[in-house]
Amino acid sequence: RKEVEQDPGPFNVPEGATVAFNCTYSNSASQSFFWYRQDCRKEPKLLMSVYSSGNEDGRFTAQLNRASQYISLLIRDSKLSDSATYLCVVIPYGSSNTGKLIFGQGTTLQVKP
Amino acid sequence: ETGVTQSPTHLIKTRGQQVTLRCSSQSGHNTVSWYQQALGQGPQFIFQYYREEENGRGNFPPRFSGLQFPNYSSELNVNALELDDSALYLCASSPPTGPSYEQYFGPGTRLTVT
Repeated sequence: RKEVEQDPGPFNVPEGATVAFNCTYSNSASQSFFWYRQDCRKEPKLLMSVYSSGNEDGRFTAQLNRASQYISLLIRDSKLSDSATYLCVVIPYGSSNTGKLIFGQGTTLQVKP
Repeated sequence: ETGVTQSPTHLIKTRGQQVTLRCSSQSGHNTVSWYQQALGQGPQFIFQYYREEENGRGNFPPRFSGLQFPNYSSELNVNALELDDSALYLCASSPPTGPSYEQYFGPGTRLTVT
């Protein structure tokens, strides 16, 4: 079983739609959680951290459910520029000093006009 | 742009050969991590270098090795190349203060092994 699992998609949505991605992780002792964004043939970039209390950054809302071991990302009012691959990232227990990020496969979002 | 640079951008090698990839970290960043991203997959952690020492390693065989230099730049060396080594190799640098997850990725080197 992969440490971090995501539905690869693609998710095809019209502009203005609300779309949600989920990600599950296998290690219940995992410490920290993030969403990264990767545009086609570009490097990944940190989108936002994920906290148990939930956090929001403009149109983006991230949520962590430790009991069920899943992380979600909600994008409201989708823009064409949101088209990208969204990578779920986990820092496993004991790895906070090694910089080891565990990435999911990524979920591809295509926003259509 | 993150300020992290990698060279070369593309590379084609033959199975069994050796390759060296280079990374210059963002100014002031003293930690470099290397990742391998196969097509359609997320990046996989290879190892991290801090103060010129390996500071954590993922599930990669010993033929993947690295170096960090006093100016914090880094090299990734892969010996005895295999077809499955074809991937995008990303390096990421981190600042001396702040959390280790704060990593800034370079544009990557795309390696093709034939």
